[in-house]
Amino acid sequence: EPEVTQTPSHQVTQMGQEVILRCVPISNHLYFYWYRQILGQKVEFLVSFYNNEISEKSEIFDDQFSVERPDGSNFTLKIRSTKLEDSAMYFCASRATGTKDYEQYFGPGTRLTVT
Amino acid sequence: SQQGEEDPQALSIQEGENATMNCSYKTSINNLQWYRQNSGRGLVHLILIRSNEREKHSGRLRVTLDTSKKSSSLLITASRAADTASYFCATDRPYKLSFGAGTTVTVRA
Repeated sequence: EPEVTQTPSHQVTQMGQEVILRCVPISNHLYFYWYRQILGQKVEFLVSFYNNEISEKSEIFDDQFSVERPDGSNFTLKIRSTKLEDSAMYFCASRATGTKDYEQYFGPGTRLTVT
Repeated sequence: SQQGEEDPQALSIQEGENATMNCSYKTSINNLQWYRQNSGRGLVHLILIRSNEREKHSGRLRVTLDTSKKSSSLLITASRAADTASYFCATDRPYKLSFGAGTTVTVRA
């Protein structure tokens, strides 16, 4: 069964450093998403991406964040200068088009720890 | 906000019992989805119910939706230890999901 994959599973970085979180969505999906979950809190929407551009972004997704689809398979989230409060699980998700159901398939997540 | 809010926050049941959790939301929706998350792991999609549907079944799962009350319920029948997890409802506009805080279910052997 196809699945969304994410790398790395755990990333530790120092405050102020740049990080890139990587995702490989399901191959025939065209909508891509990033969500995050701070420990003990709700899963929060960050950004959606379609047709090589951002469809929608939340207030969390400020200028420190960017997304890119550098090739036909990867979808990345970059945090330019990490802060302590960026520590969270980051989930990538993808969705097929052409279907009535809007089911999103989630990856296993990357745990980001900023020290 | 369309966020779903689950109730109760935590639920502890004996193996074999049924578990019921509820979700309320604020605005109109296209559909409502339920996800499971095992501790520290990713989100697993369980079931999607469209706004024009009232009830849906998938294996031991039964979901209801009452759009007039803006609420949904998830019933897990004949629970197993492996059902121990957090369960989230998520309301859907086509481009993003809004999650509730979740119900943590513990199934005791």
